[in-house]
Amino acid sequence: DIQMTQSPSTLSASVGDRVTITCRASQTVSTWLAWYQQKPGKAPKLLIYRASSLESGVPLRFSGGGSGTQFTLTISGLQPDDFATYYCQQYNSYYPTFGQGTKVEIK
Amino acid sequence: QVQLVESGGGVVQPGGSLRLSCAASGFTFSSYGVHWVRQAPGKGLEWVALISYDETNKFYADSVKGRFTISRDDSKNTVYLHVNSLRAEDTAVYYCAKDGYLVGATPGQLDYWGQGTLVTVSS
Repeated sequence: DIQMTQSPSTLSASVGDRVTITCRASQTVSTWLAWYQQKPGKAPKLLIYRASSLESGVPLRFSGGGSGTQFTLTISGLQPDDFATYYCQQYNSYYPTFGQGTKVEIK
Repeated sequence: QVQLVESGGGVVQPGGSLRLSCAASGFTFSSYGVHWVRQAPGKGLEWVALISYDETNKFYADSVKGRFTISRDDSKNTVYLHVNSLRAEDTAVYYCAKDGYLVGATPGQLDYWGQGTLVTVSS
């Protein structure tokens, strides 16, 4: 199975900050990578697919990049609604796998 | 709009079984694959299983292979997850999610999710 590793596990930031979360795959996944946001007690929400394509309705402050084994999710200008846990997920294989998550906390 | 509603969760003893259901609406159900993803209390997301749009392909995580079975009934716009030989470590919220690819031959992103159903395995 392809292992996905996110860093950091927890990130403390303030409203208005630019934050970047990194996701590394144990082998290449090309650009078959998605990012999700999850708030407590709620289902995950798709933010980014194909590494850099913004899902419809997702604010433009979210952006994704990377290819192969290294990927990033950047939030430009953190908003109060963005404090949540973020997961990357590869779908290069028939056995999708998620990263362990990055919790974005209020500083 | 797209909606997925899970049901069938509950408390079950170790070794027991359940059938989870995922009722879908708002899209052409027979043209999309459906995934199950679970989340143990306080933990991250774990992909569990995928059924292709035409039911020809079914894939399972190693942790559930041989114990869980995914199926679909297009006449009812519903996907099922039969969970057998349950263990304490299967305790989790189980989400179903729509695959993002129309008649996809390979998995895509999970673009719509249900609200989840809780399975608790305890004696």
